[in-house]
Amino acid sequence: NAGVTQTPKFRVLKTGQSMTLLCAQDMNHEYMYWYRQDPGMGLRLIHYSVGEGTTAKGEVPDGYNVSRLKKQNFLLGLESAAPSQTSVYFCASSRQRDSGGGYTFGSGTRLTVV
Amino acid sequence: TQLLEQSPQFLSIQEGENLTVYCNSSSVFSSLQWYRQEPGEGPVLLVTVVTGGEVKKLKRLTFQFGDARKDSSLHITAAQTGDTGLYLCAGARGSGRRALTFGSGTRLQVQP
Repeated sequence: NAGVTQTPKFRVLKTGQSMTLLCAQDMNHEYMYWYRQDPGMGLRLIHYSVGEGTTAKGEVPDGYNVSRLKKQNFLLGLESAAPSQTSVYFCASSRQRDSGGGYTFGSGTRLTVV
Repeated sequence: TQLLEQSPQFLSIQEGENLTVYCNSSSVFSSLQWYRQEPGEGPVLLVTVVTGGEVKKLKRLTFQFGDARKDSSLHITAAQTGDTGLYLCAGARGSGRRALTFGSGTRLQVQP
């Protein structure tokens, strides 16, 4: 099984450009999440979804939008990229919010905004 | 301010040594998970603890959930180079549809 697949793996953007990060999971998980990881700050939640067609804000949602049109896909959009959005972005999924099975993470997207 | 504080932030030890990593909070968690992350990869779940005072063992790794469910520890016995990585704790609070909160991590380097 592929688990959670993130595309692209690397991207360099110029300030003001837009892009969409794609996350796909093949485990039929209800919950999906987008986190960003910065040095010394662990993982911070950007947005999450508890099911198809639903989204909710996390800890650091400003500058990002998300959509969950299909259960298996969770898209993260940056409308106007800023250098502060340089980070490694991780998508994760789970059967339920805090299941003992934990979260399954993708391998990340390294984004640099210049 | 991090909801979950991990200590130490960095740890470099020799193979065969023992170590303990801590995860502390002023908040109560309904469950707490530990993950290990290797460079270029996403975190991978090691264990989930649910009951206050619970102890779980995974080979040379021992996980404990505090009695008040506000803190946890990870003890590694006779560390090996393969234990090198970033260790993250993550907590779930209360009921409802909120996601896990992650600590800032402990970066462990085990030297041969």
